[in-house]
Amino acid sequence: SQQGEEDPQALSIQEGENATMNCSYKTSINNLQWYRQNSGRGLVHLILIRSNEREKHSGRLRVTLDTSKKSSSLLITASRAADTASYFCATDGFFSGGYQKVTFGTGTKLQVIP
Amino acid sequence: NAGVTQTPKFQVLKTGQSMTLQCAQDMNHEYMSWYRQDPGMGLRLIHYSVGAGITDQGEVPNGYNVSRSTTEDFPLRLLSAAPSQTSVYFCASSLSGTRAYNEQFFGPGTRLTVL
Repeated sequence: SQQGEEDPQALSIQEGENATMNCSYKTSINNLQWYRQNSGRGLVHLILIRSNEREKHSGRLRVTLDTSKKSSSLLITASRAADTASYFCATDGFFSGGYQKVTFGTGTKLQVIP
Repeated sequence: NAGVTQTPKFQVLKTGQSMTLQCAQDMNHEYMSWYRQDPGMGLRLIHYSVGAGITDQGEVPNGYNVSRSTTEDFPLRLLSAAPSQTSVYFCASSLSGTRAYNEQFFGPGTRLTVL
C-alpha cells in the first residue's frame, strides 16, 4: 500500500499564482522528499526535509512538515509554465535488513497556464 | 557523467515472452532499485540492491528477477510477460542504501506494453 498520498490529484493555475500540494503519510519517518516528474521523464529530486525540521526553502519552493499530523506541503511561488509537471512526495523507512526503502505517493499533476 | 541510463526506451512483448530491461549508472552508487509506475498508483518498488551481489525484494517482486554482478549494472528480467506487467519502469540509484538520507537519481524509463 502507498505510504504517501498527495492532495489534490490535479491542480491547474495561472502563471504567476502560487501552487500548494499536500502529502499525508502513515508511519513515522526520518525524512520526507519531494520529486518532480516532467511528462515522459524520470523523477528529479527537489528538496528534502528531516523529521526534526518544520520548514525548508529552496528558491521558489517552500516545504513544511508537521509530524504530529503526518503531513507535508509543497508550495511553489510565482509559478511558471515550466513548473508544469507531476509532483511526488517520498518517505523513507527501512527494510528488516536495515536497508533503505523509499516509498512514493501517488502524485499531484500541476498544470500552469501561460 | 551519463547518470542513470536505461534501455530500451520502448518495448512491446507478447504474453509469455521474456526479456531483460537494462540499467546502468556511472556514479559509483551502492544502491540501485527498480520501480514500476502505473496510472494513479505512484511508483512501486520491485527489487533493490545495496551493492554487487546483494539484492532483495521490494513491494511487488512477483514475475521479476534481478541480479547485481557489478556496481554499475542492475538488469531487471521479466520471466514470462503478462498484460499486468504493462507499465513504465524506472531504475534509480543512490549513494548508499544504509544511510538515513539518500537522494535518488532516476533513469528516463522504459515503457513496456504486453499484449
